[in-house]
Amino acid sequence: GNSVTQMEGPVTLSEEAFLTINCTYTATGYPSLFWYVQYPGEGLQLLLKATKADDKGSNKGFEATYRKETTSFHLEKGSVQVSDSAVYFCALSGSGGSNYKLTFGKGTLLTVNP
Amino acid sequence: DVKVTQSSRYLVKRTGEKVFLECVQDMDHENMFWYRQDPGLGLRLIYFSYDVKMKEKGDIPEGYSVSREKKERFSLILESASTNQTSMYLCASSWVGYGYTFGSGTRLTVV
Repeated sequence: GNSVTQMEGPVTLSEEAFLTINCTYTATGYPSLFWYVQYPGEGLQLLLKATKADDKGSNKGFEATYRKETTSFHLEKGSVQVSDSAVYFCALSGSGGSNYKLTFGKGTLLTVNP
Repeated sequence: DVKVTQSSRYLVKRTGEKVFLECVQDMDHENMFWYRQDPGLGLRLIYFSYDVKMKEKGDIPEGYSVSREKKERFSLILESASTNQTSMYLCASSWVGYGYTFGSGTRLTVV
């Protein structure tokens, strides 16, 4: 079945540091890939997505590229802010049929210090 | 913007009570989902529905049931609440092939 593995947290960075959160996946066919963010006390929000190989999703300074050859979708940001402190989830949805369910990674807690 | 509204942010219930968690979406989405979120375990799918009156079990359906009588409403039911069902419950909706829109979550404590 489908699965998502993302780096264990917590990750602690200083403001303006470079961020990478690794995400790899296992899936049949051609899944769509997503990053979600959860701020304290809230539900999850879609951060960015990519629907086919070599697509780059981007939003709010965050980027991730769909790499089929390495089955990866790593999240990056060049300069993090305190307001980026949150839990980040990588997810995939399968292709076709009833594969509209999302499979999530376990989440990575990011703390950015001033 | 699509809104997914969960009826309660916080709930405290007693062991053995029947508990209803309500979720309403306003964008005519076909698919709706219930997850629970626990520290160290991430999000786990309880049930989902791809049409009115249709439902499918997710990964951890035991102790739960669902109801979808109208397209916009998807209810999660804890038939007899137990302390191990203390958790954050998240509802989401989507079109086929698109990402989810989540509600703000209901933090349920069973005492």
